[in-house]
Amino acid sequence: QSALTQPASVSGSPGQSITISCTGTSSDVGGYNYVSWYQQHPGKAPKLMIYDVSKRPSGVSNRFSGSKSGNTASLTISGLQAEDEADYYCCSYAGSSTWVFGGGTKLTVL
Amino acid sequence: QLQLQESGPGLVKPSETLSLTCTVSGGSISSSTYYWGWIRQPPGKGMEWIGSIYQSGSTYYNPSLKSRVTISVDTSKNQFSLKLSSVTAADTAVYYCARHATTVATDWFDPWGQGTLVTVSS
Repeated sequence: QSALTQPASVSGSPGQSITISCTGTSSDVGGYNYVSWYQQHPGKAPKLMIYDVSKRPSGVSNRFSGSKSGNTASLTISGLQAEDEADYYCCSYAGSSTWVFGGGTKLTVL
Repeated sequence: QLQLQESGPGLVKPSETLSLTCTVSGGSISSSTYYWGWIRQPPGKGMEWIGSIYQSGSTYYNPSLKSRVTISVDTSKNQFSLKLSSVTAADTAVYYCARHATTVATDWFDPWGQGTLVTVSS
């Protein structure tokens, strides 16, 4: 069970759109529609942003969206805002009642 | 509003057992159909799922930690706990507890506690 692969960092200017990828295998990301995404500001608890690949919890901005293609899931943030600057983590069900997280991506808003 | 709070020693000696408790407020562990999970984050690194427990005591563990991990639940106190034995410096991390929704229809962790830093050092 290896960690999901995320880019270490991504950046974008206010108003732009960015996409963070999360690559796994057919045993986790590719095998189930149970990918979730978490936002974590420094020193804060992670916050659920997307679940079940593309569902958005109540209260989360519709600027956040999720998708999946094969073994890679993606989080897209449109209309980038300064408050979006944070670390983002993906998580996937990996079968046999186990779960695996990604290494995290630091989003910088330029 | 459901809230979770981790508590326990911030410093543990190598080879000893790390023990943490998560107290749930604003809702009852025993009146829900959720699991309750532990996740950790070593300094500067990604997150690692440790394990999850149901109100009945049914548990799921990360295979890489299974031999050292015990998660238990105390519904009378609305708490669940983590024990990690034979710790080394590699177990130094911020430990989070979270509500874990896992059914055939959905899967997510939310909300999370604020986290507690546990350092393994002599």
